Amino acid sequence: KQEVTQIPAALSVPEGENLVLNCSFTDSAIYNLQWFRQDPGKGLTSLLLIQSSQREQTSGRLNASLDKSSGRSTLYIAASQPGDSATYLCAVSLLGSNTGKLIFGQGTTLQVKP
Amino acid sequence: KAGVTQTPRYLIKTRGQQVTLSCSPISGHRSVSWYQQTPGQGLQFLFEYFSETQRNKGNFPGRFSGRQFSNSRSEMNVSTLELGDSALYLCASSLNLGPGNTIYFGEGSWLTVV
Repeated sequence: KQEVTQIPAALSVPEGENLVLNCSFTDSAIYNLQWFRQDPGKGLTSLLLIQSSQREQTSGRLNASLDKSSGRSTLYIAASQPGDSATYLCAVSLLGSNTGKLIFGQGTTLQVKP
Repeated sequence: KAGVTQTPRYLIKTRGQQVTLSCSPISGHRSVSWYQQTPGQGLQFLFEYFSETQRNKGNFPGRFSGRQFSNSRSEMNVSTLELGDSALYLCASSLNLGPGNTIYFGEGSWLTVV
């Protein structure tokens, strides 16, 4: 059974700091991995999607890496800003299944202090 | 292009009652999935619909049900509400079934059971 874990559960950093969020999964048979952002009381916004054959994806100040063999992904946020404060969730989709079902981690709640 | 629309956004129900939540997917999207989000359990997959058929179901009791209409709109129903059903219910849509399709989430329906 696929399980996704995110560490740390919460993180508080001063503005301008570079930071790394971690995600691990137990079964390497994934189709892809996504990082989402969730603002309080809101839905999820997709940030980055990494296919299982890819090693990383970049979008602006965000960089996500994937090491399928070790079951790990990291989300790197450069030069953090107060507007980055949110909960970040990683999710995997399953290989060999005709379903869009996502398995989520518990998320990391990030606070960036001005 | 309108996003995924969920109604109602907020509702309060009494234990024992039932509730119906509605989801309108992005125009042209045929796959709709539902997730429950609670502080304790995080985001958990409820079910997935495609072409008016339930394709996948999560590990939830039979009190949770859903359906999809010919226009791809979907509803989920929870009967005999329990306090533990208080959660954010998120709907997501994608063009087709399968893990290779980009998934878009709605803002969610906040259900409070008292």
